[in-house]
Amino acid sequence: QVQLQESGPRLVKSWETLSVTCTVSGDSISNNYWTWIRQPPGKGLEWIGFIYYSGDTNYNPSLKSRVTISVDTSKSQFSLRLSSVTAADTAVYYCARAWGYHDSWGQGILVTVSS
Amino acid sequence: EIVLTQSPGTLSLSPGERATLSCRASQIITSNSLAWYQQKPGQAPRLLIYGASSRATGIPDRFSASGSGTDFTLTISRLEPADFAVYYCQQYGGSPRTFGQGTKVE
Repeated sequence: QVQLQESGPRLVKSWETLSVTCTVSGDSISNNYWTWIRQPPGKGLEWIGFIYYSGDTNYNPSLKSRVTISVDTSKSQFSLRLSSVTAADTAVYYCARAWGYHDSWGQGILVTVSS
Repeated sequence: EIVLTQSPGTLSLSPGERATLSCRASQIITSNSLAWYQQKPGQAPRLLIYGASSRATGIPDRFSASGSGTDFTLTISRLEPADFAVYYCQQYGGSPRTFGQGTKVE
């Protein structure tokens, strides 16, 4: 059974770079696409983007100028970097399997942007 | 970008009642590329339905879904206490992927 686990700093200062990593177990990271989704406190879900093990990516245009998603197949990890963050980027960040519908999700990590 | 509008925003029902949730898209969703998720407080979303009408693994048959084009529906035939949650639709036929704003079943 596939498991995904997010990790990273839970507090980031304004205008710095948010960095979150997802570790995949129970499935080969080379078998699928991998996605990042976020959810501000009390709000809905926002798709950030996905990556294939080859490195091919697709980003939400609303975030594209600030987002980088990368993959490290040797560690079975993929990562999200979001630059120049503001309070509006405070959210629970989820990693999920696949590029379409998502049958497996991480538990999520709350990242707070503080001035 | 495909905008998904869910209605109603909140559905107030009792256990045993039938819940009908709507998801309307701003443009046609190709190949019925629509999913439904259930989310409870403090938890990640859980996939219920994909391909507009196919139940995900382990999802009880009281959950059913239908629709095509721009109009989609999730039905919970008889609400159980565990079903009180927020439900989201998501389209994956176009880029960027988008979610509806959610329907809370209380």
